Amino acid sequence: AQSVAQPEDQVNVAEGNPLTVKCTYSVSGNPYLFWYVQYPNRGLQFLLKYITGDNLVKGSYGFEAEFNKSQTSFHLKKPSALVSDSALYFCAVRPGHSGNTGKLIFGQGTTLQVKP
Amino acid sequence: DVKVTQSSRYLVKRTGEKVFLECVQDMDHENMFWYRQDPGLGLRLIYFSYDVKMKEKGDIPEGYSVSREKKERFSLILESASTNQTSMYLCASSLGGADGANVLTFGAGSRLTVL
Repeated sequence: AQSVAQPEDQVNVAEGNPLTVKCTYSVSGNPYLFWYVQYPNRGLQFLLKYITGDNLVKGSYGFEAEFNKSQTSFHLKKPSALVSDSALYFCAVRPGHSGNTGKLIFGQGTTLQVKP
Repeated sequence: DVKVTQSSRYLVKRTGEKVFLECVQDMDHENMFWYRQDPGLGLRLIYFSYDVKMKEKGDIPEGYSVSREKKERFSLILESASTNQTSMYLCASSLGGADGANVLTFGAGSRLTVL
């Protein structure tokens, strides 16, 4: 079955420290991978995506993610966390053979808490 | 600014009631989606539509139906609401094509409580 796993329910970091939010996937074919963020009482917002090419992709708000095919991972990273980065983060993958529908499978979400 | 608008942010309904959740997008997107968000379960796809009058079941369609009579509007219908349908419902849309690489734009969500 095609799936996405975010192994940590919550990640706590101090402001100014680097952060990593982990994501692994299981999908047939070449994966399209996405990160979305949900701030309190807001809808999900797109952060970044990997389709092809350079394994390191950069996105909004200083976030980046590294595609690792051998480890089937797509971890989200930021060199220096801000308190305002505190939010719920979702990893998502486009299932194989879904054509142009844009249908995504989402992970269970990871709450990032950045403390001053 | 592009938008996906969900008509109701908060709803409280009784068991057995028929519930309509409306979603409108102003981006001329081909694809529209209804997801359900529950703590610890992430987002689960209920139904999606890739064209007017076209619909496909997602992962958890039981107890739900949808309607897409116009390109900009995608409605989620709970024919007879049950307490286990208490949840946050998220509508999203995206352009078609690009082999599914287009980004989803989400609405703010509709929090439904069924008593």
